[in-house]
Amino acid sequence: QKEVEQNSGPLSVPEGAIASLNCTYSDRGSQSFFWYRQYSGKSPELIMFIYSNGDKEDGRFTAQLNKASQYVSLLIRDSQPSDSATYLCAVRGSNYKLTFGKGTLLTVNP
Amino acid sequence: NAGVTQTPKFQVLKTGQSMTLQCAQDMNHNSMYWYRQDPGMGLRLIYYSASEGTTDKGEVPNGYNVSRLNKREFSLRLESAAPSQTSVYFCASSEAGGQPSGANVLTFGAGSRLTVL
Repeated sequence: QKEVEQNSGPLSVPEGAIASLNCTYSDRGSQSFFWYRQYSGKSPELIMFIYSNGDKEDGRFTAQLNKASQYVSLLIRDSQPSDSATYLCAVRGSNYKLTFGKGTLLTVNP
Repeated sequence: NAGVTQTPKFQVLKTGQSMTLQCAQDMNHNSMYWYRQDPGMGLRLIYYSASEGTTDKGEVPNGYNVSRLNKREFSLRLESAAPSQTSVYFCASSEAGGQPSGANVLTFGAGSRLTVL
């Protein structure tokens, strides 16, 4: 069973702080890694994807991938109340299927 | 841009009834997927279609059937609904389902909330 693990949270940070969301995966042959954001009652929407070791930055968001440690993270700088949502880590494994973690609920307090 | 359109948005069924969830995408994507989302369980893949004419089971296929009607449309059928199938169902599509790239990115529909009594 290919697994993707995330802390369920809730993760609570003050406005302006850095939020750090973490994800580990079990399939060492995994190839692509995605972060989706899901507001309550809405569908998931892509924030970023990464498939090479290292960091990838897009505005206030940075994805970090470490394949040796089977670990991917998402950093949100200058967190805003509008960032409050559930963040889903998704991993495309060696069988090409996409597996989602259960998500981390982030709350940004004004 | 419509993107991925699912119908219906809400449905209430009685145990044993059947229904079909419809999904259509207008992005010329090759791959289409059906997920269900339950509290505490995350998104779980029911079935997917890597390309027109092919379908494959995901993590939780029991009690469901699918049809890839054409490149645009991918339907999910519940033949005999059970209370355990009460969930929010999401259809999604991607340009490709193979090699790692941005083409793997999923675009989701708005979701269909199904309640089975």
